[in-house]
Amino acid sequence: DGGITQSPKYLFRKEGQNVTLSCEQNLNHDAMYWYRQDPGQGLRLIYYSQIVNDFQKGDIAEGYSVSREKKESFPLTVTSAQKNPTAFYLCASTAPGRISTGELFFGEGSRLTVL
Amino acid sequence: AQTVTQSQPEMSVQEAETVTLSCTYDTSENNYYLFWYKQPPSRQMILVIRQEAYKQQNATENRFSVNFQKAAKSFSLKISDSQLGDTAMYFCAFMKQYDGNKLVFGAGTILRVKS
Repeated sequence: DGGITQSPKYLFRKEGQNVTLSCEQNLNHDAMYWYRQDPGQGLRLIYYSQIVNDFQKGDIAEGYSVSREKKESFPLTVTSAQKNPTAFYLCASTAPGRISTGELFFGEGSRLTVL
Repeated sequence: AQTVTQSQPEMSVQEAETVTLSCTYDTSENNYYLFWYKQPPSRQMILVIRQEAYKQQNATENRFSVNFQKAAKSFSLKISDSQLGDTAMYFCAFMKQYDGNKLVFGAGTILRVKS
């Protein structure tokens, strides 16, 4: 079945460590997105990529980095520079030709806790 | 910058009854889209309904309908004949026209359907 797979589902990290969250899709979607979800704040856009080897900062990119070397994959690295990394992270993608429709397909999310 | 406000953090409704979730937004744009997304417990977020700002007719999807008041910048979601499976977090979202599916989300409303 086609879909978006995020891993790991739960991740614990010590302060000062970088961690990479995986996002893989087999939907043949061109555009991919990373959102951060915090209680009472909704979802905020971290990074997005509309094509391989290209990505753009969203509203809260500081302390995060991404890469888009393959169409299927859009990993997010939470660096030690991110001041408050504990959150729920959601990856999403958009089908070809649907880039201006607002229709996002989401993964199940990764919950990161910094100890 | 656009903002989306959901003033009801939590709501509950009896099974088979009707409930309305509120959403207001602020923008200087004339052409845009509005959305309601549903995030069930431990499941993927999905698009419930979409409204184009240039359309006067309110969007409807089965038991879900919206009341779009452009002048008032209001976009409420009505769920008729509520079912237990409607229990979820509901997010209102905004997108400028041709903005590459970069959505701005509200803080969300937790809806609990009681039997």
